[in-house]
Amino acid sequence: GAVVSQHPSRVICKSGTSVKIECRSLDFQATTMFWYRQFPKQSLMLMATSNEGSKATYEQGVEKDKFLINHASLTLSTLTVTSAHPEDSSFYICSGVRGLYNEQFFGPGTRLTVL
Amino acid sequence: AQSVTQPDIHITVSEGASLELRCNYSYGATPYLFWYVQSPGQGLQLLLKYFSGDTLVQGIKGFEAEFKRSQSSFNLRKPSVHWSDAAEYFCAVGEAAGNKLTFGGGTRVLVKP
Repeated sequence: GAVVSQHPSRVICKSGTSVKIECRSLDFQATTMFWYRQFPKQSLMLMATSNEGSKATYEQGVEKDKFLINHASLTLSTLTVTSAHPEDSSFYICSGVRGLYNEQFFGPGTRLTVL
Repeated sequence: AQSVTQPDIHITVSEGASLELRCNYSYGATPYLFWYVQSPGQGLQLLLKYFSGDTLVQGIKGFEAEFKRSQSSFNLRKPSVHWSDAAEYFCAVGEAAGNKLTFGGGTRVLVKP
């Protein structure tokens, strides 16, 4: 199966700072990557769709200036949480779509804690 | 808009017993349906999917699911659970293969020895 990694797996930061989360497809090229957010004991909510070489498409209610997404290559998408606040603390999960089969593979997630 | 409902938040089952997890969806066209499992510290793993064809779908780890259009359901079953099946299970619907997914609220499965 295809592998998606995320880095870091956990991050703790102070309120007001910015945090970058990387999502990499290790053994396939992902023209599309998705970013989801999961609050404790809740489901995954789609935040944005990231397409290589173009601007991300954000879901309604997601602040694009707060959650900056860059899909610079076919194997890397980054999510930057700018001026993080405690309410941004969550589990962020990315996925990549392997084009040949149109299958979606998920990363292990990044737990962000904002103090 | 599409939506997915998993009526059971928690299910406790004895090891060796059968398991059924319910999933109901709302979608205007033919849905692409998925079941994922999430174990602590691990990413979502695809158990099975339904796009078209045979409505009884076989997946990994001994799981199967049945698509019932008349009931808008896609319930997941396993005849005999193992302790390692304890995890969170998510049903999801998409507009097409490889498209963004809408997830249900999840069902946490606990397995008693």
